[in-house]
Amino acid sequence: GDSVTQTEGLVTVTEGLPVKLNCTYQTTYLTIAFFWYVQYLNEAPQVLLRSSTDNKRTEHQGFHATLHKSSSSFHLQKSSAQLSDSALYYCALASAGNKLTFGIGTRVLVRP
Amino acid sequence: NAGVIQTPRHKVTGKGQEATLWCEPISGHSAVFWYRQTIVQGLEFLTYFRNQAPIDDSGMPKERFSAQMPNQSHSTLKIQSTQPQDSAVYLCASSSRTSSAETLYFGSGTRLTVL
Repeated sequence: GDSVTQTEGLVTVTEGLPVKLNCTYQTTYLTIAFFWYVQYLNEAPQVLLRSSTDNKRTEHQGFHATLHKSSSSFHLQKSSAQLSDSALYYCALASAGNKLTFGIGTRVLVRP
Repeated sequence: NAGVIQTPRHKVTGKGQEATLWCEPISGHSAVFWYRQTIVQGLEFLTYFRNQAPIDDSGMPKERFSAQMPNQSHSTLKIQSTQPQDSAVYLCASSSRTSSAETLYFGSGTRLTVL
């Protein structure tokens, strides 16, 4: 089956500095798209980024990610972290039928 | 658009009791998904429906969990004989299409605590 690996459980970063969240995956089925979801405290998860094109950079709200099928990766990055970026981030892949398989999540804490 | 609505927001049950969780998808969405969220496992897929028909329940613990979608406006997740390990946030999500990786819209979840 599909699996998504997020290696960091917690990432702490100082405001204004870059942040990178790692995401790698394994899939034995036709994978249609890749996502990053963000969940703020006491809120529902919401989509941050979506990509289905190899080697194409996708950007939203200052975050960017590039799908690299050669390395099975879809890392999330931001050049300058903001206090409001503190949240839980999930990497996910979508297979046929739109079923999403999520990673375990990475909590980001941005310090002043 | 009220988004995906889940009720109740919090539910506390005693070990061995039954818990029923409710989900109202976004109007017009044809697919409904259930996930379980824990710190240890993250977001685990449970089951999903397309046009009210069950499509994939591979994530459901077979003995005590069941899900239904009797009409297009709501779905239920029922857990019989709840156990402490069932304590989690149960999230419902809906999407407008099922074949092209459309975005899932999540509800705020039901936090189930089994004492």
